[in-house]
Amino acid sequence: AQSVTQLGSHVSVSEGALVLLRCNYSSSVPPYLFWYVQYPNQGLQLLLKYTSAATLVKGINGFEAEFKKSETSFHLTKPSAHMSDAAEYFCAVSDRSGGSNYKLTFGKGTLLTVNP
Amino acid sequence: DTEVTQTPKHLVMGMTNKKSLKCEQHMGHRAMYWYKQKAKKPPELMFVYSYEKLSINESVPSRFSPECPNSSLLNLHLHALQPEDSALYLCASSQEGGSNTGELFFGEGSRLTVL
Repeated sequence: AQSVTQLGSHVSVSEGALVLLRCNYSSSVPPYLFWYVQYPNQGLQLLLKYTSAATLVKGINGFEAEFKKSETSFHLTKPSAHMSDAAEYFCAVSDRSGGSNYKLTFGKGTLLTVNP
Repeated sequence: DTEVTQTPKHLVMGMTNKKSLKCEQHMGHRAMYWYKQKAKKPPELMFVYSYEKLSINESVPSRFSPECPNSSLLNLHLHALQPEDSALYLCASSQEGGSNTGELFFGEGSRLTVL
């Protein structure tokens, strides 16, 4: 079964600093990987996804992530944090192991706070 | 703007009430999902409908009853809930078939409070 581990339940950065949110996955087959963002009292919005094309994936709001098979990682980065980036971030892996329905397995989430 | 619309945004109900949550999407997706999310936790899958048929039930108590009247609509009927069922209920949809990557499109959720 697929799983994801997000290292760090809370990350705090200064405005303008690099954002790095870590995600490691476990999968018996080539995975589909996702990063979602959730602002308070809202649903989840897709930031970016890896679906076995380019290993460096660019998403919305200046975020990007690199798929590293050797490290089983899919870390999320942004060169310069903005106050509006403060939110909960979830890494997720799609279970392609069988059937026509895909089950998305989420990590526990990382709360990003941005200090002025 | 989300393309998955959920109503109501907020719902307060007593333990003896019967209420429903509604979800609608017009992206032509043939899979629809209900997730439950408690505070500071990731979403937990409850039900999956594929082509209007229930395909996954994650051992959800019978006080939650899903319904998929057509490919665009998904309901969650609530009856005799407990205070611990208070949570954010998220609806999602996805493509089916060969183009499916597992990407889910989420609504903004319905915040349920059970008194």
